[in-house]
Amino acid sequence: EIVMTQTPLSSPVTLGQPASISCRSSQGLVHSDRNTYLSWLQQRPGQPPRLLIYKISYRFSGVPDRFTGSGAGTDFTLKISRVEAEDVGVYYCMQATQFPYTFGQGTKLEIK
Amino acid sequence: QVQLQESGPGLVKASETLSLTCAVSGYSNSSGYYWGWIRQPPGKGLQWIGNINHSGTTYYHTSLKSRVTISLDTSKNQFSLKLSSVTAADTAVYYCARQDRNWGALDYWGQGTLVTVSS
Repeated sequence: EIVMTQTPLSSPVTLGQPASISCRSSQGLVHSDRNTYLSWLQQRPGQPPRLLIYKISYRFSGVPDRFTGSGAGTDFTLKISRVEAEDVGVYYCMQATQFPYTFGQGTKLEIK
Repeated sequence: QVQLQESGPGLVKASETLSLTCAVSGYSNSSGYYWGWIRQPPGKGLQWIGNINHSGTTYYHTSLKSRVTISLDTSKNQFSLKLSSVTAADTAVYYCARQDRNWGALDYWGQGTLVTVSS
């Protein structure tokens, strides 16, 4: 099983300032089809998770362009260029390269 | 617009079988997707349970494999989860979700349903 490790686990951020979340996998996430199935999800309080980013850096429909995904191999990053109040919640990385699919522990984004 | 909605008992007795159904609407061409279940214990993170494709091929989490069955009913546009021999550790919010096969990502989720296992 691939273990996904996120840092930090908690991130207090000032409104309008950037935020960054790191996700490291215990094995490389390049699939035999050459794709890297690493995605990022946001879970606002009391809501189901919502897809933000897929295949490392592709923004899902309707996701603001202040969210950017990057990385390769075993190290991946989600960046928010300017945090807004609606960004509060828990962020998860997820790998779907190898069964069983696994999630990071989650990073709680809160406003200072 | 794609919508998923979980349904099933909110309370299950220990040692019995948890059964949930996910009704799906607003999509076409099911061959491009997998249909999955994910759970989240209260106050904790997400755990992938398993999924099924349009052909009925299933993949399950290794730790749950002996107790899980996921099935698909294309005529009713729904898929189901059965988890046998439940214990308190299976208490969680259960989500159903669609996975785009090309993106490898869970792009649409249900609202989730809390299932509590009672002793």
